[in-house]
Amino acid sequence: SYDLTQARSVSVALGQTARIACGGHKIGSKNVYWYQQKPGQAPVLVIYSDKNRPSGVPERFSGSNSGDAPALTISGVQAGDEALYYCQVWASSTAVFGGGTQLTVL
Amino acid sequence: EVQLVQSGAEVKKPGESLKISCQTSGYNFIPYWIGWVRQTPEKGLEWMGMIYPGDSDSRYNPSFEGQVTMSADRSTSTAYLQWSSLKASDTAVYYCARLMVGDTRGLDFWGQGTLVTVSS
Repeated sequence: SYDLTQARSVSVALGQTARIACGGHKIGSKNVYWYQQKPGQAPVLVIYSDKNRPSGVPERFSGSNSGDAPALTISGVQAGDEALYYCQVWASSTAVFGGGTQLTVL
Repeated sequence: EVQLVQSGAEVKKPGESLKISCQTSGYNFIPYWIGWVRQTPEKGLEWMGMIYPGDSDSRYNPSFEGQVTMSADRSTSTAYLQWSSLKASDTAVYYCARLMVGDTRGLDFWGQGTLVTVSS
């Protein structure tokens, strides 16, 4: 089975830039999706196909999938961005999720 | 406005059957795959499978094949997930989510989740 690796937690000061990475075998050849989940709520898609933002997602959220590993970058982090962030790819017809990264805003 | 509204929390005993629902609105139900995702504190988000309402084609994650059954009712734009014999290990929050069309395949709209508790 295909596995995705994420750091368990990332901390960033208010207003600074957060970078959340996702690792997996030959992940550069896959489309990566990113979801934000706040306590007691359903996940929300924030990035699809590596770097595209769904309607309504602030421009502060960006994605990349080149070089070492795909990453979600949040610029000018706000207190409301504190959440769990999951990466996801497709392996055959199965969606695979990373373990999630808890973003803490200091 | 696209909405996926799931049925309410359930408390069941091991061995009992259960069917939870995901009622959709605000879009054409037929051409969008609906996926089901299980969430537990121990394992996080797990993909269970997806169903295509157009012809009820279902693709199960091998880990869940034979454990659950997905179905869809085009007349009510509702997707279902059912168990014939629950286990304590089925205790989790279950989400339905819509897949974007085409090759994109992001899960762009999610239900609010259904908490299923299985306990004797």
